[in-house]
Formats: sequence, structure tokens, C-alpha cells
Amino acid sequence: AQSVTQLGSHVSVSEGALVLLRCNYSSSVPPYLFWYVQYPNQGLQLLLKYTSAATLVKGINGFEAEFKKSETSFHLTKPSAHMSDAAEYFCAVSVEVNNDMRFGAGTRLTVKP
Amino acid sequence: DADVTQTPRNRITKTGKRIMLECSQTKGHDRMYWYRQDPGLGLRLIYYSFDVKDINKGEISDGYSVSRQAQAKFSLSLESAIPNQTALYFCATRGTVNTEAFFGQGTRLTVV
Repeated sequence: AQSVTQLGSHVSVSEGALVLLRCNYSSSVPPYLFWYVQYPNQGLQLLLKYTSAATLVKGINGFEAEFKKSETSFHLTKPSAHMSDAAEYFCAVSVEVNNDMRFGAGTRLTVKP
Repeated sequence: DADVTQTPRNRITKTGKRIMLECSQTKGHDRMYWYRQDPGLGLRLIYYSFDVKDINKGEISDGYSVSRQAQAKFSLSLESAIPNQTALYFCATRGTVNTEAFFGQGTRLTVV
């Protein structure tokens, strides 16, 4: 089955610094990839998704991610962190063959003043 | 009203008790999912369903069962709750495999 690995369970950046959250996927067929954000005591909401169109995907709140097939990666970036970006971020993958959606272990982002 | 509604939001139950978590959606989607979230483990898939006649096991289905009562309703049952089933449970729905999933607010279950 398909899977994702998120490198780094905790990432801490200063306000205004670059945010880089790493996600690598494993799939024998072309994947669809997603990034979700979870704020405290809330459900998950979509940041962005890759569905085989453009490899550079732009999402909400200034986030973007680039699909790199050769590296099996879908890393999430934001040029300048804001305090409101502090949350937990999940990478997820799904494929046509089995229709389920599998998530990574998550990365907790802390933003320091 | 929320697109995906879970009830209850919080529940404390005793070991050995049967408990049902309910989920309803207003998106009109066929696909529905149950996940559990544990710190450091992310979301793990318990069961998923494509329609009322199609139920599939996920990564961690042991100790759980589900029922798809209608397109809009998908319930999760713990037949005999145990403490390591203490977790945050999420229901989700989506339309097609390449579209986003919509999540409920979660049910925090504690088994004592």
C-alpha cells in the first residue's frame, strides 16, 4: 500500500524565517498528495494538493509544495513564518487503485517571536 | 451547519463497555472514512466505505466495527472498549480519489 514519511516530528522557526516541512512518499502507481493543517482542538483542513497537473502547487496562507518524482518528495514551504502558522501539519497520499488516504505521523511547527 | 458532524465530541467510558461513535455528512459524498489520531503516530485508517454495501478494513481495524446506515451516515463501534483505544477519532468524507477529504471536529474518547 502507499505510504508517506514526514521527516522531523517537531520543527521550530523564528517569525519571518523560512518554513520547510518534509514529506516523502512511497507508491507503485502515480500518487495524489495532500498537505493538511490541524490547529489545536480542531479537525484537519486542506492546505494544498497535487493531482498530476502542475508540479509546483500553491495553497492557502502562503504555503506551497513541489512534487518531485525523482526524489519521491512533496515538501511544504513558506517563505516567511507567521505566529499564526503554529500548528500540526500532515502529509497524505492516495492512489486510484484502492481509494483510501494514508497520512504521515505529522510535524508540529512552532514559531518563535 | 458543519459539513461533517461527529457525535459525541467527548466521551469517557469504562473498559469492556460497548460504545458507538456517529458521523453524518451533508456533502453528498460516497466515500467515508474513520481514522484515529495518536500523538506521534499521525492519523491511522480504521475503516472506509464507498457506499452502503461496501466496507473495507484499514490499517488498524482489530477491535472496531462499522456500519454504513445510509450514504450520509457512517458509525464506528468499539464492541468491548480497552484503554489503548483511548484516542482522538476523526470521520472524513470525500468525493473522488483525487479530491480533498473533509473532516469532522473529532471525538475524544477515553477508556478507563
